[in-house]
Amino acid sequence: EVQVVESGGDLVQPGGSLRLSCATSGFTFSNYWIYWVRQAPGEGLQWVATIKEDGSETYYVDSVRGRFAISRDDAQNSVHLQMNSLTAEDTAVYYCTTRRALSTSYFDYWGQGTLVTVSS
Amino acid sequence: DIQMTQSPSSLSASVGDRVTITCRASQDIRNNLGWYQQKPGKAPKRLISAAFSLASGVPSRFSGSGSGTQFTLTISSLQPEDFATYYCLHHNSYPLTFGGGTKVEIK
Repeated sequence: EVQVVESGGDLVQPGGSLRLSCATSGFTFSNYWIYWVRQAPGEGLQWVATIKEDGSETYYVDSVRGRFAISRDDAQNSVHLQMNSLTAEDTAVYYCTTRRALSTSYFDYWGQGTLVTVSS
Repeated sequence: DIQMTQSPSSLSASVGDRVTITCRASQDIRNNLGWYQQKPGKAPKRLISAAFSLASGVPSRFSGSGSGTQFTLTISSLQPEDFATYYCLHHNSYPLTFGGGTKVEIK
C-alpha cells in the first residue's frame, strides 16, 4: 500500500523557519519526482517546489525561491522542505505529491497535508 | 509564465446533470494538462492526465478533452459523490500552475 505522510507543520512567527518532511512507502521512491503543493485557507492550489528523482534538479515558484529548499533522502524514502524567512502569505496546508519519472501522469499519490501557520 | 483560466468558478447542478468545466491556457501547452477533484478537508485526487487519459479507478462518467489552449472536463451524469471542487493543472513548463477551481454544488 502506498503511503505519503507529511509532518512538521506548526505555528511559527513571521521571519521564522520550519522544516517539513514527507515520508513515503509502497513505491520505488528513487523512480519518482516529488512535489510540494500548498493551499492557503479557503483558496486554490499552488505548486511550490519540485525535486527530480535523482535530486539533480529542483524547481521553485518565484514567491519562495531563495527562501525554501527542497531535498531528498533516498535512504529514508523521504523529502524535506526547508522554509526560511516565513511570511503570513506562506500560511497554508502543504501537500506532498508524486510523479513517476518519464510519466505524464502528474500527482498520482498525495499525502493528507500538514498545516503551516505564520502569525505573531 | 502560463496562466490557466478556469470557468465557471462555481456551478449548481442536480444529480444526473451533464456538467462541463473549461480551462484555457494563456499559451499552447499541447496536451500537458491534468484534472483533479478535491473534497473539503481532503487532498486532491487525480482524475485525468495528458488531457484525456482517465486515471485508474476513476468512473467513466468523467472525461477530458482538448489540446493546445482549450480543455474541458465533462461529467456525463453527476452523482452525489461528485460534488466537490475541480482544478486543472498545466505541466508544460515551470512554473506549474493550477486553474482557479470550479466548485460544483447541489442545486
